[in-house]
Amino acid sequence: AQKVTQAQTEISVVEKEDVTLDCVYETRDTTYYLFWYKQPPSGELVFLIRRNSFDEQNEISGRYSWNFQKSTSSFNFTITASQVVDSAVYFCALSEAGLTDSWGKLQFGAGTQVVVTP
Amino acid sequence: SAVISQKPSRDICQRGTSLTIQCQVDSQVTMMFWYRQQPGQSLTLIATANQGSEATYESGFVIDKFPISRPNLTFSTLTVSNMSPEDSSIYLCSLNLGSGTQYFGPGTRLLVL
Repeated sequence: AQKVTQAQTEISVVEKEDVTLDCVYETRDTTYYLFWYKQPPSGELVFLIRRNSFDEQNEISGRYSWNFQKSTSSFNFTITASQVVDSAVYFCALSEAGLTDSWGKLQFGAGTQVVVTP
Repeated sequence: SAVISQKPSRDICQRGTSLTIQCQVDSQVTMMFWYRQQPGQSLTLIATANQGSEATYESGFVIDKFPISRPNLTFSTLTVSNMSPEDSSIYLCSLNLGSGTQYFGPGTRLLVL
């Protein structure tokens, strides 16, 4: 069975501080996808990144960076120089990648609320 | 990506009634998915909706409570039947375009009194 753990319920930072969100996953699949989504107060789910299980390269996109380590089953997300607009709930998710039928069946973590104050 | 719209965006309903949520996408997709997000909780998959076949429900969800239609490749509906306050949630449709990335609609916020 798949499982995604986001142990941090809420993280509060002051603007311009860095914040790292932890994500640990469990799966028996050898091929899988990992995702991060942002859910601002308005409620929509904004796609941030997808990582394939066979691609352990870290990625940077602007102020966002992701650290994927298969050895520890972790896919952590860092926001550098946080801004008030980063305040949201962030979800880590996992899906099988071997069969296209499974691509849409995401197992979500509980989410981490990030609060950035000026 | 795709443009996904949902109607209604929000609604307040009385217990015992039913609400049908519509999901429209601007691309043809084989599989669409319906998720539920209860207040303060994470997202849970309700069912997978394939065009031309019966929807496949996840454990804990049944067709009588959440009937789904999928009349064509760009549209799906989810009905929440015989509602109770416990059904108050955000309901989201989602899809992927063949890349493995899952995109979500804006959601329907439902409050049942």
